[in-house]
Amino acid sequence: GAVVSQHPSRVICKSGTSVKIECRSLDFQATTMFWYRQFPKQSLMLMATSNEGSKATYEQGVEKDKFLINHASLTLSTLTVTSAHPEDSSFYICSARSSGPQETQYFGPGTRLLVL
Amino acid sequence: AQSVTQLDSQVPVFEEAPVELRCNYSSSVSVYLFWYVQYPNQGLQLLLKYLSGSTLVESINGFEAEFNKSQTSFHLRKPSVHISDTAEYFCAVSYTGRRALTFGSGTRLQVQP
Repeated sequence: GAVVSQHPSRVICKSGTSVKIECRSLDFQATTMFWYRQFPKQSLMLMATSNEGSKATYEQGVEKDKFLINHASLTLSTLTVTSAHPEDSSFYICSARSSGPQETQYFGPGTRLLVL
Repeated sequence: AQSVTQLDSQVPVFEEAPVELRCNYSSSVSVYLFWYVQYPNQGLQLLLKYLSGSTLVESINGFEAEFNKSQTSFHLRKPSVHISDTAEYFCAVSYTGRRALTFGSGTRLQVQP
């Protein structure tokens, strides 16, 4: 099956710093990638849709200037949490959508962010 | 608003017993339906999906789900669970015109010996 990787898997940073998370589709091209956020014992909440070569589409309530998304190639999307604060601590998961009639989203393993 | 409901937050079950995890979604003309499994501190893994065709879909590890359009349900079943099935299970729906997934709140399956 299709593989999606995320890096780093875990990051601890000080409040006020910025953190970049990478999401890569390893064996397929993904024109669309999605970024989700998951709080402990809760479901995934869509943050934004990342389209290759164009601006990301953010969900209501998600600050686009705080969560910068770049989708520069068909296999890489990055999420940068700018000026991170403790309330940004969460599990961030990306997914990549395969193309074709059997489209399915494949998820990365997630990145756990802890802001001190 | 589009929504996915998983009524059971936790389902305890003994090993080798059958299990059903319920999922209902808000009605729409056309949907794609998915079940994902999440093991502790890991990302989501696709368990099975319904896109079209036969309403009964199966996974390689014994799970199955049936798309019921009249009841807008996509319940997940397994006739005999194993300890290794202990995980969080998420039902998800992709609605026509919206490529992102809408997730249910998840059901924690706890298989006890």
